[in-house]
Amino acid sequence: DIQMTQSPSSLSASVRDRVTVTCQASQDISNYLNWYQQKPGKAPKLLISDASNLETGVPSRFSGSGSGTDFTFTISSLQPEDFATYYCQQYDNLPFTFGPGTKVDIK
Amino acid sequence: EVQLVASGGGLVQPGRSLRLSCAASGFSFDDYGMHWVRQAPGKGLEWVSGISWNSGSIAYADSVKGRFTMSRDNAKNSLYLQMNSLRAEDTAFYYCAKDKGGEITPQAGGGWFDPWGQGTLVTVSS
Repeated sequence: DIQMTQSPSSLSASVRDRVTVTCQASQDISNYLNWYQQKPGKAPKLLISDASNLETGVPSRFSGSGSGTDFTFTISSLQPEDFATYYCQQYDNLPFTFGPGTKVDIK
Repeated sequence: EVQLVASGGGLVQPGRSLRLSCAASGFSFDDYGMHWVRQAPGKGLEWVSGISWNSGSIAYADSVKGRFTMSRDNAKNSLYLQMNSLRAEDTAFYYCAKDKGGEITPQAGGGWFDPWGQGTLVTVSS
């Protein structure tokens, strides 16, 4: 199975801060990587597909980059509604696997 | 608007069975692959199972293989997860999710989860 790691596991930030989360795959997954946002008590929501493709309706302050084994997720200017947990997920191989998540909370 | 409504969760004793359902609306259900993803309370996400548009491909996580069976009824726009021999470690919120296309294998372009239903809680405890 492909193992996904994320760092940091949590971070505290202020509104308008730039936030960066990294995700690493245990083997080359090309760009077969998605990013999800999950707010407390809610289902996850797909934000970014194919490592860097912003889903329709997702604000442009969210972005993703990377390929192979190393990926980055960035929020350019953190907004109050962005406090949530973010997960990366690979779809290069079955079983599909997720990173452990990065919780972004208020400083 | 795409809607996925999961149901069937509840409290069940170890070793017993439970059947989850997911009612789909707002899209052509029989054109899309579907998945179940679970999340233990306070924990991360784990893919459980996926099924292609015509049930021709069904895949399972090793943790549930041989105990869980995923199926669909395209005439009823419904997805199912039959869970047998339940264990305490199966306790989780179970979400149904739509894939981007009809297939669920990576080779055929599957493996996306968008959107997700609201989840149904399964608690396995004596």
